[in-house]
Amino acid sequence: DAGVIQSPRHEVTEMGQEVTLRCKPISGHNSLFWYRQTMMRGLELLIYFNNNVPIDDSGMPEDRFSAKMPNASFSTLKIQPSEPRDSAVYFCASIGPAGENTGELFFGEGSRLTVL
Amino acid sequence: GQQLNQSPQSMFIQEGEDVSMNCTSSSIFNTWLWYKQDPGEGPVLLIALYKAGELTSNGRLTAQFGITRKDSFLNISASIPSDVGIYFCAGPNTGTASKLTFGTGTRLQVTL
Repeated sequence: DAGVIQSPRHEVTEMGQEVTLRCKPISGHNSLFWYRQTMMRGLELLIYFNNNVPIDDSGMPEDRFSAKMPNASFSTLKIQPSEPRDSAVYFCASIGPAGENTGELFFGEGSRLTVL
Repeated sequence: GQQLNQSPQSMFIQEGEDVSMNCTSSSIFNTWLWYKQDPGEGPVLLIALYKAGELTSNGRLTAQFGITRKDSFLNISASIPSDVGIYFCAGPNTGTASKLTFGTGTRLQVTL
């Protein structure tokens, strides 16, 4: 079975450019999470969706960040305009109905973003 | 907010040695989870603990849910090179079982 699929795996961009990260959750999973990982701050939850609806976006750092989930099989995280301090690895994770009780998140391989 | 602190931050051990790491919280958790992140990959769940005092094993890994519900421990016996990675504890935020707070991580290096 395919796991969580993220794209791109790597992106290098210049400050001020728009960045769009994409995620396809595991089929049948009804919750989707976006995490950011840096050396300084570790794994931080940015936003999560349940049944395509944003439930908690309190972790989104500022208005430059936005996330959408137009359907059950696709989500995007957009940064506009990007800044060097946004450089990090961004993970998407999903969880199914059974996992709601176990806490077993399934993570993608991550998108490594470098903003010059 | 809830914080999870892990120690040690990093460990360098020789193949065959046993490893111990722990995770402490400023608040009570009802579930403790241990994830491992291989280099260049996303975290993967290793062990889940659901009851205070619970001791659970998964192969060479053993984890315990502290009695106070504010800490957890992970032990790895007879380490091998593929144990290299970052180990995270995690716990659900209050009221939302699947919304996890992750610990600061313990980075493990295994030398031959």
